[in-house]
Amino acid sequence: DVKVTQSSRYLVKRTGEKVFLECVQDMDHENMFWYRQDPGLGLRLIYFSYDVKMKEKGDIPEGYSVSREKKERFSLILESASTNQTSMYLCASRITDTQYFGPGTRLTVL
Amino acid sequence: GDSVTQMEGPVTLSEEAFLTINCTYTATGYPSLFWYVQYPGEGLQLLLKATKADDKGSNKGFEATYRKETTSFHLEKGSVQVSDSAVYFCALSDQNTNAGKSTFGDGTTLTVKP
Repeated sequence: DVKVTQSSRYLVKRTGEKVFLECVQDMDHENMFWYRQDPGLGLRLIYFSYDVKMKEKGDIPEGYSVSREKKERFSLILESASTNQTSMYLCASRITDTQYFGPGTRLTVL
Repeated sequence: GDSVTQMEGPVTLSEEAFLTINCTYTATGYPSLFWYVQYPGEGLQLLLKATKADDKGSNKGFEATYRKETTSFHLEKGSVQVSDSAVYFCALSDQNTNAGKSTFGDGTTLTVKP
């Protein structure tokens, strides 16, 4: 079974803090993705990566950056967290045509 | 570009009722089609998929058939249970276009009452 893990299920941070969300997959997948999910807005793609050290902006990259130093790990970074970044963050990895998701991190920024 | 349109929710059914959640798509290539399910507080789980026209995906009593002529992939289940209460997402993925990204519908919330 494909396993995608995320470092935290719940996270509470303060405005202006630097926040790291970690995602690890165990299946040697090349493609990895970060989404945020908000009520009424569905899934929105923040960034994706198709190889180590490679990254592409998604639909809403502003306020975020990513890091992929190793194939199995894809990190999402909020450089200076703001209250409008309170959301559910979902990581996924992809093999052939199928994406597999982690359990999600619910981030609250106070 | 690619798009997925799902039936708007929420959908409320009684236990053992028949379920249909409609999904239609627009794609320039020949996509694979998916249904994902999200239980409260969880990430998305792959429910079923179909990779070419007339394929039927099935899992846990759910079925969906890839209909190219109507560009549809409707999700069905003959008898729903309370445990099926969740949000269901229709999605497509075209490896030949869009850098392999998936396109998701907005999700349909299903509540099944005992």
